[in-house]
Amino acid sequence: QKEVEQDPGPLSVPEGAIVSLNCTYSNSAFQYFMWYRQYSRKGPELLMYTYSSGNKEDGRFTAQVDKSSKYISLFIRDSQPSDSATYLCAMSEGGGNKLTFGTGTQLKVEL
Amino acid sequence: DAGVTQSPTHLIKTRGQHVTLRCSPISGHKSVSWYQQVLGQGPQFIFQYYEKEERGRGNFPDRFSARQFPNYSSELNVNALLLGDSALYLCASSRIAGEVQYFGPGTRLTVT
Repeated sequence: QKEVEQDPGPLSVPEGAIVSLNCTYSNSAFQYFMWYRQYSRKGPELLMYTYSSGNKEDGRFTAQVDKSSKYISLFIRDSQPSDSATYLCAMSEGGGNKLTFGTGTQLKVEL
Repeated sequence: DAGVTQSPTHLIKTRGQHVTLRCSPISGHKSVSWYQQVLGQGPQFIFQYYEKEERGRGNFPDRFSARQFPNYSSELNVNALLLGDSALYLCASSRIAGEVQYFGPGTRLTVT
């Protein structure tokens, strides 16, 4: 069993839809949780960074962490075609030390 | 400010050869980490360096080695290349070890 599980998709939604992306994990020592966006053949770009359980909002993006369920989510409101990318969840036991990634979910937002 | 830079962008090597990949962190960042991303997978941790010392190593064979220089730039070396080493190699930097990591564009290595 992988430490971090993420549905690879692809996920296709119409423009303006609310998108929900999720990851589950098995390592209870994970404390820091991140979401990265990766466009084709590019490096990952940091979207959200959260510590422990709770919610964090930044513009159209909301990250949720539920440590009791070992479950994290990223919500994208009013999705745009420019949001089409692969979304990677990542987590670590201590801040920026060794990140453990999910496989990534490929998202396509269609006009 | 410039982000993390990596060179070269693309590289094609033959099995058995060795390769050196280079990374320059964001100005002021002292920690550099290396990741391997195989097509269709998430990045896998290879090494972390902080203040020129190795702080962590992932589950990679001894053919993989790295170092960090006094200016905090870093090199990743891979010897005796195998077909399975074909991947996107990513460098990430953080201000100090334990802070959020920012990724460079990667070096795409193809082994034939």
